[in-house]
Amino acid sequence: GDSVTQMEGPVTLSEEAFLTINCTYTATGYPSLFWYVQYPGEGLQLLLKATKADDKGSNKGFEATYRKETTSFHLEKGSVQVSDSAVYFCALSDKNAGNMLTFGGGTRLMVKP
Amino acid sequence: DAGVIQSPRHEVTEMGQEVTLRCKPISGHDYLFWYRQTMMRGLELLIYFNNNVPIDDSGMPEDRFSAKMPNASFSTLKIQPSEPRDSAVYFCASSFSGSSYEQYFGPGTRLTVT
Repeated sequence: GDSVTQMEGPVTLSEEAFLTINCTYTATGYPSLFWYVQYPGEGLQLLLKATKADDKGSNKGFEATYRKETTSFHLEKGSVQVSDSAVYFCALSDKNAGNMLTFGGGTRLMVKP
Repeated sequence: DAGVIQSPRHEVTEMGQEVTLRCKPISGHDYLFWYRQTMMRGLELLIYFNNNVPIDDSGMPEDRFSAKMPNASFSTLKIQPSEPRDSAVYFCASSFSGSSYEQYFGPGTRLTVT
């Protein structure tokens, strides 16, 4: 079945550092790919998405590129802020699975001033 | 739009009691999902509905859990009887089949069973 693998956290960075959170996937079809963010005490929020190969999703300074050849969707940000501290989830949706999402295990990011 | 609404936000109950969690999806959305989140097991899909019909309940842990969606604007997740291991944050999410599958999550209900 479909699966998503994320790097384990926590990831601890200093403010203004460069962020990469790795995400790879296994899927039988041509999935759409997502990054969700969960701030403390809140539900998950869609951060960005890409629906086909080579698409780049971007939002709030974060970006991720859908790489079909490496089955990856790594999240990057050039300069993190303390307010980016949260848990980040990579997810995929296969057209053959209705509107279900398969989530990775989440990666906790901690940004220190 | 108010987003997905869940109630209550916090619930503390004693073991053996019945617990009912409620969800109002975003108007116009035709999919509704119930998830459970714990430190040990992460985010788990319990059940999801399409047009008010349960499609996949394979994630429901046991017969003590049941979910209903009597209409397009309301769903419940019931635990009877509750046990301490049911303590978790329960999320409801909804989505629209005409979109690119993104789900919109509610704020969650934090359940503590003592």
